[in-house]
Amino acid sequence: DSGVTQTPKHLITATGQRVTLRCSPRSGDLSVYWYQQSLDQGLQFLIQYYNGEERAKGNILERFSAQQFPDLHSELNLSSLELGDSALYFCASSPNGGGLYEQYFGPGTRLTVT
Amino acid sequence: QKEVEQDPGPLSVPEGAIVSLNCTYSNSAFQYFMWYRQYSRKGPELLMYTYSSGNKEDGRFTAQVDKSSKYISLFIRDSQPSDSATYLCAMSGENTDKLIFGTGTRLQVFP
Repeated sequence: DSGVTQTPKHLITATGQRVTLRCSPRSGDLSVYWYQQSLDQGLQFLIQYYNGEERAKGNILERFSAQQFPDLHSELNLSSLELGDSALYFCASSPNGGGLYEQYFGPGTRLTVT
Repeated sequence: QKEVEQDPGPLSVPEGAIVSLNCTYSNSAFQYFMWYRQYSRKGPELLMYTYSSGNKEDGRFTAQVDKSSKYISLFIRDSQPSDSATYLCAMSGENTDKLIFGTGTRLQVFP
């Protein structure tokens, strides 16, 4: 158990809908990273927050947004969902901004868009 | 062409075999190289990391980086059924936390 928690574990929703995925980092970790894992694209970095501020952006669609709250938990919002958004969404956390060697991944949220 | 290429497998080997997992990459700016293990229905966990070229050993695992060939490898000695998982390579350049992952190789070690 990495100490990173993600809710919900599974989410099934329809095209066009909006969902929110939640991540609680390990105690004391300041950085949160979001990744999307699909069969054809593999694990792709979406966005990083450090202590409430956006730190780095990857291949995140404009329909997706994230934030990190004062208690350091983070939420990933996915809107106008499409079938292609079906994937595993992982959150990772690290103690500080330089998290290359210390990213601890949560168990993921499996999103199915029908 | 993807920045990082990895054979998806599956790779099926008997217990005790030496396993070789590989990735190739195209971006010569990559300096940090990592291997993650992902069990079914779990998040990835960091196995090993290396900086620039060279070898690194940790127990039954050895990571190799050949920057001239843009090729990295993970060797598993005396493989065990508990090693059955998907192995993901990941890499990054300087001054960034952004990791570029391979698609993963599924390994099955049978008793």
